[in-house]
Amino acid sequence: QLQLQESGSGLVRPSQTLSLTCAVSGGSISSGGFSWSWVRQPPGKGLEWIGYIYHSGGTFYNPSLKSRVAISVDGSKNQFSLNLNSVTAADTAVYYCARDVSKGGAPQYFDYWGQGTLVTVSS
Amino acid sequence: QSALTQPRSVSGSPGQSVTISCTGTSSDVGGYNFVSWYQQYSDKAPKLIIYDVSKRPSGVPDRFSGSKSGNTASLTISGLQAEDEADYYCCSYAGSYTSMFGGGTKLTVL
Repeated sequence: QLQLQESGSGLVRPSQTLSLTCAVSGGSISSGGFSWSWVRQPPGKGLEWIGYIYHSGGTFYNPSLKSRVAISVDGSKNQFSLNLNSVTAADTAVYYCARDVSKGGAPQYFDYWGQGTLVTVSS
Repeated sequence: QSALTQPRSVSGSPGQSVTISCTGTSSDVGGYNFVSWYQQYSDKAPKLIIYDVSKRPSGVPDRFSGSKSGNTASLTISGLQAEDEADYYCCSYAGSYTSMFGGGTKLTVL
């Protein structure tokens, strides 16, 4: 059974960089046919897709966040990471990592999710 | 990139059927058969309940069904049960290797 677990700082100062890691167990992050994603949810609000990274290293981001976000993968540690810079209070959210089924290349659906981690942006 | 449009809330009595709509454009919902639906209980991670418009993952009751017509996808829950009370989100491929979620719908079982 695939499992994903987010980790990282729960409190980030405004204008600093938010950094999170998602550890994958029960399967290889290098498996073809999947991409690895970040999704966030501000308190009391809906889900927002942040971006994906494919096992090949290719990345795709939400246009509204593209200038501030970077997703990377470490196959040797079976994990992938999110960096979001120049954060403001609007970036306060529960951040989820998820696996996306991407057969044929295009992302199709998120079948496994981490439990989520709350990141608060505050001075 | 605007969120897909869902009703803020729907409600129904046990045993009834409810339908949640998800409206997009020809660039997302209408252009691809990559619409998925997620169920989320309070303070829990979302759970996949429908993918590729109308397919159900193993373990999801057949009371949950999905469909699409034009730029609008729909999730129907028949034989409503108290445990179905949750938030529901649609998601669609939006081209150029991007995805988009709906704003979410709160389902209340009366």
